[in-house]
Amino acid sequence: GENVEQHPSTLSVQEGDSAVIKCTYSDSASNYFPWYKQELGKRPQLIIDIRSNVGEKKDQRIAVTLNKTAKHFSLHITETQPEDSAVYFCAASIRGSQGNLIFGKGTKLSVKP
Amino acid sequence: DVKVTQSSRYLVKRTGEKVFLECVQDMDHENMFWYRQDPGLGLRLIYFSYDVKMKEKGDIPEGYSVSREKKERFSLILESASTNQTSMYLCASSLQQSSYEQYFGPGTRLTVT
Repeated sequence: GENVEQHPSTLSVQEGDSAVIKCTYSDSASNYFPWYKQELGKRPQLIIDIRSNVGEKKDQRIAVTLNKTAKHFSLHITETQPEDSAVYFCAASIRGSQGNLIFGKGTKLSVKP
Repeated sequence: DVKVTQSSRYLVKRTGEKVFLECVQDMDHENMFWYRQDPGLGLRLIYFSYDVKMKEKGDIPEGYSVSREKKERFSLILESASTNQTSMYLCASSLQQSSYEQYFGPGTRLTVT
């Protein structure tokens, strides 16, 4: 079945450094790739997404890149701040579904001041 | 602004009890989802619904059922709660067919003793 692998499971960086989280997906028909941020005790919230007809998308300090050939996509956070500390989930759309996503297992990002 | 609410933030139930978790969205979304979130396992889909009175099994439906009598409300039912169903339960909704952006509720932390 469809699968999304996410790495690393934990990531610790110093404030101001960059952080990169990578995901690979199995279904070549996936065409939508969102990233969710879940702060401690809160709901997951969409922070950025990308569709398969785009290779890169940027929103201030966060960016997502997509390599369709290799079937992987990455989240890049620059100039990290303590408030970036959270669990980040990647996801991929499922072929033939009407809106289903399959999620990665999450990455716990810690930004040390 | 989309609002997804869940009936309880914390719930403690005894083994064998019938448990109802309710989710309500106020944006006329067609799609609704129930996920279970466990550390290291990410978000796993239990059931989903694309329309009133419609339901489909997700990846881990065993021990659960759902009900969608009204468009805005999607209920998750644990027929006979067991300790291995202790978890965080997240409800989500999305607008319509092929609309993949999902909005999450705050979650219900269920403990079964």
